[in-house]
Amino acid sequence: QKEVEQDPGPLSVPEGAIVSLNCTYSNSAFQYFMWYRQYSRKGPELLMYTYSSGNKEDGRFTAQVDKSSKYISLFIRDSQPSDSATYLCAMSGRRNTGKLIFGQGTTLQVKP
Amino acid sequence: EAQVTQNPRYLITVTGKKLTVTCSQNMNHEYMSWYRQDPGLGLRQIYYSMNVEVTDKGDVPEGYKVSRKEKRNFPLILESPSPNQTSLYFCASSLASGEETQYFGPGTRLLVL
Repeated sequence: QKEVEQDPGPLSVPEGAIVSLNCTYSNSAFQYFMWYRQYSRKGPELLMYTYSSGNKEDGRFTAQVDKSSKYISLFIRDSQPSDSATYLCAMSGRRNTGKLIFGQGTTLQVKP
Repeated sequence: EAQVTQNPRYLITVTGKKLTVTCSQNMNHEYMSWYRQDPGLGLRQIYYSMNVEVTDKGDVPEGYKVSRKEKRNFPLILESPSPNQTSLYFCASSLASGEETQYFGPGTRLLVL
């Protein structure tokens, strides 16, 4: 079993839809959770960073962590075609170790 | 401009021919990492370095070597490449403090024949 599971999709939604992306994990030591966005032929870039359980909002993006269920989510409101990309969750057990475990990524397409 | 650079961006080679992929960052970051990205497997960490002369294995280190002689550079060495090392490789760097923001390079696409 992988430490981090993420549905690869692809996920296709109409412009303006609310998108929900999810990851589950098995290692209860994970405390730091991140979402990266990767456009085609580019390196990943950090979207959201959260510590422990709870919600964090940044513009149209909301990251949610439920440590009791070992489940994290990324919500995108009012999705735009420019949001079309692969979204990767990542997590680590200690702060700033340089060691991250990534999910396999979910490919999202937002259609105009 | 703050960035992570990798060279070469594309490389075709043959089994057994040693190669080096260079990585350099200009942000004075302590941490640097190498990942490989494969369809269905996502990003997997090969090696990471917490500072000069300090390196450690990631999840898939077999067949790879690294060195960190200078803070800004972290080359990835394949001593005897094999076809199963055909992949997309990313270098990343981050600060030792603050949020775990890893800055990724543009990627190196490697094909081993």
